[in-house]
Amino acid sequence: KNQVEQSPQSLIILEGKNCTLQCNYTVSPFSNLRWYKQDTGRGPVSLTIMTFSENTKSNGRYTATLDADTKQSSLHITASQLSDSASYICVVTQRRAGGGSYIPTFGRGTSLIVHP
Amino acid sequence: DTAVSQTPKYLVTQMGNDKSIKCEQNLGHDTMYWYKQDSKKFLKIMFSYNNKELIINETVPNRFSPKSPDKAHLNLHINSLELGDSAVYFCASSQVRTSGSYEQYFGPGTRLTVT
Repeated sequence: KNQVEQSPQSLIILEGKNCTLQCNYTVSPFSNLRWYKQDTGRGPVSLTIMTFSENTKSNGRYTATLDADTKQSSLHITASQLSDSASYICVVTQRRAGGGSYIPTFGRGTSLIVHP
Repeated sequence: DTAVSQTPKYLVTQMGNDKSIKCEQNLGHDTMYWYKQDSKKFLKIMFSYNNKELIINETVPNRFSPKSPDKAHLNLHINSLELGDSAVYFCASSQVRTSGSYEQYFGPGTRLTVT
């Protein structure tokens, strides 16, 4: 069964600190892994996308890593800001048998709160 | 110049009614999606659709049906609404590449409340 597990479920940090969010998956065959940021009351916004051959991708203060062998990914946030308070969702897309169709499996997200 | 728009933003209705949620994208993408986000904030895909193929998540009741009048629109029609249908529904679009890597853009969501 395809699953995406994220940890921690929630995290509280002080402004300016760094943090790392984890994502483990069992999705196969693997197509790509994405991290999204979802602010309260809004739709998710893509932060990074990584395919099998990529093991790191940065977007400003966000850096995602991927270990396709161990099926793990992490999202590192540097010098956190109050606006980083949001839910961070890991999504692993499966390449469907027969090609041409892609099925995403979502993690339940990590709720990050950044305090001043 | 909103990329993916949905209407209405809020929808309150009674059990048993039929309702539709509209979605439009102006990005020229070839694939559109509907997602359901439950009260625990868990997102789950319901449908993905392009002009060639409709992929249905088998857990979606057949009371839900996507309707696409054209490439830029994918509306969600729901028959005989039930209390458990209460959730936030997100529309999204993307341009799927053969590499499997694609940006997906989400709409602002429609909060459906069934009473």
